[in-house]
Amino acid sequence: AQSVTQLDSQVPVFEEAPVELRCNYSSSVSVYLFWYVQYPNQGLQLLLKYLSGSTLVKGINGFEAEFNKSQTSFHLRKPSVHISDTAEYFCAVRYHAGYSSASKIIFGSGTRLSIRP
Amino acid sequence: DGGITQSPKYLFRKEGQNVTLSCEQNLNHDAMYWYRQDPGQGLRLIYYSQIVNDFQKGDIAEGYSVSREKKESFPLTVTSAQKNPTAFYLCASSISGLTTDTQYFGPGTRLTVL
Repeated sequence: AQSVTQLDSQVPVFEEAPVELRCNYSSSVSVYLFWYVQYPNQGLQLLLKYLSGSTLVKGINGFEAEFNKSQTSFHLRKPSVHISDTAEYFCAVRYHAGYSSASKIIFGSGTRLSIRP
Repeated sequence: DGGITQSPKYLFRKEGQNVTLSCEQNLNHDAMYWYRQDPGQGLRLIYYSQIVNDFQKGDIAEGYSVSREKKESFPLTVTSAQKNPTAFYLCASSISGLTTDTQYFGPGTRLTVL
């Protein structure tokens, strides 16, 4: 079955330190990959996405992610975090299925990023 | 401003009652989605609609119903058949149902069954 794994449910980091949030997906077939951020009691906001082309994707708020096909990973990174980055982060994958019911997004269980001053 | 609105933000329901969650979008998107979010489980798809007057079951459709009579609206009814309805419900939309389309999310409705 297709799945997305976020190994870390919580990641505490000091302010201005670098951070990496890990994401692995189950299948090696062609995929589209997404990272979303959710602030408390709000909906999800797209941080970045990988559709094709360069494996290093830059997103909003200084985040970037690298697609690694051989390791089936799409880890999210930021070189220096800020208090305002405190939120829950979701990795998601969509498999190449064109325009069909199989094209739904599969979400990981989320990683809660907490920034300490 | 274009976007997705969900109402109410908080909703309380007694056991055995049906309740309807509203989702409206003015983005002119064809596709709309309903997700349920539980702590530590990420998002699970309840129903989706790729076009007006058509919708499909997602992974956890039992105990829920939807309608899509207008392009901008996709209400979700949580029926008394849903055994554990307390959760955070998120509505989303995308330009179409293509896999490359970004889904845009509303602010969510938190439903609590008393």
